[in-house]
Amino acid sequence: ELKVEQNPLFLSMQEGKNYTIYCNYSTTSDRLYWYRQDPGKSLESLFVLLSNGAVKQEGRLMASLDTKARLSTLHITAAVHDLSATYFCAVETSGSRLTFGEGTQLTVNP
Amino acid sequence: EAQVTQNPRYLITVTGKKLTVTCSQNMNHEYMSWYRQDPGLGLRQIYYSMNVEVTDKGDVPEGYKVSRKEKRNFPLILESPSPNQTSLYFCASSFYRDYGYTFGSGTRLTVV
Repeated sequence: ELKVEQNPLFLSMQEGKNYTIYCNYSTTSDRLYWYRQDPGKSLESLFVLLSNGAVKQEGRLMASLDTKARLSTLHITAAVHDLSATYFCAVETSGSRLTFGEGTQLTVNP
Repeated sequence: EAQVTQNPRYLITVTGKKLTVTCSQNMNHEYMSWYRQDPGLGLRQIYYSMNVEVTDKGDVPEGYKVSRKEKRNFPLILESPSPNQTSLYFCASSFYRDYGYTFGSGTRLTVV
C-alpha cells in the first residue's frame, strides 16, 4: 500500500522567511503533484513533476522531485500572507491511481 | 469557461436513501476521478476512470458506484448511504495526467 507523508503538518511562519515542506512516498511513482487549498475552497493545481530531478518554479514557490529518495519538496521563498493555505502533495501510480498526503497547513504571519 | 461542475453543492439526506452526485466537465478530458475529504484523513480516492466505460477502484470504493457512459459525465452513486459517508466530495478531471487535474467546487454531503 502506497503511503504519502508530508511534514510538517502545521507550519506557522513570518512574512519574508523561507521554508520547505517535505513529501515522502513509499513506492515507485509515475508522477507527483502539488496542490493548494484555501479554506472552504476546492484544490488548485500548482505543479506536476514527471521525472527525477524535475524542478518547477512559480512565483515564490519551487517544487522538486528526487525519485531515488522518493522525496519531493515545496520550497517557499520570502513568504507573504497570500500564501497561507493548505498544501497537498499527491503521488500517482498505475493508471490514474492518486494518493494524497495529509496536507500541510501553512499560516504566514505579518 | 473550462470547468468541472458538481451538483449539488450541499446535500443532507437520510440513511438508506439512494442518491447521485453529478460531475460534468466541458474540457474533453479523458481522466476523471472522485475523492472524499475528511478532517485528519486528507483526500482519498474513491473511483477513477481513464476513458468511457473504463472505471477502477481507488482506495475507498466501498459503498459507492460510478459509471462513465459519456466522456463528459462521471456520476457518483450512493445506493444506501450511511452516516460514515458524511464527507466533502470532490470530482476532478484531466486531459492528460502530465497537466494535472482540475477539481470541481465540492459537494458537502451529510447523512443522518
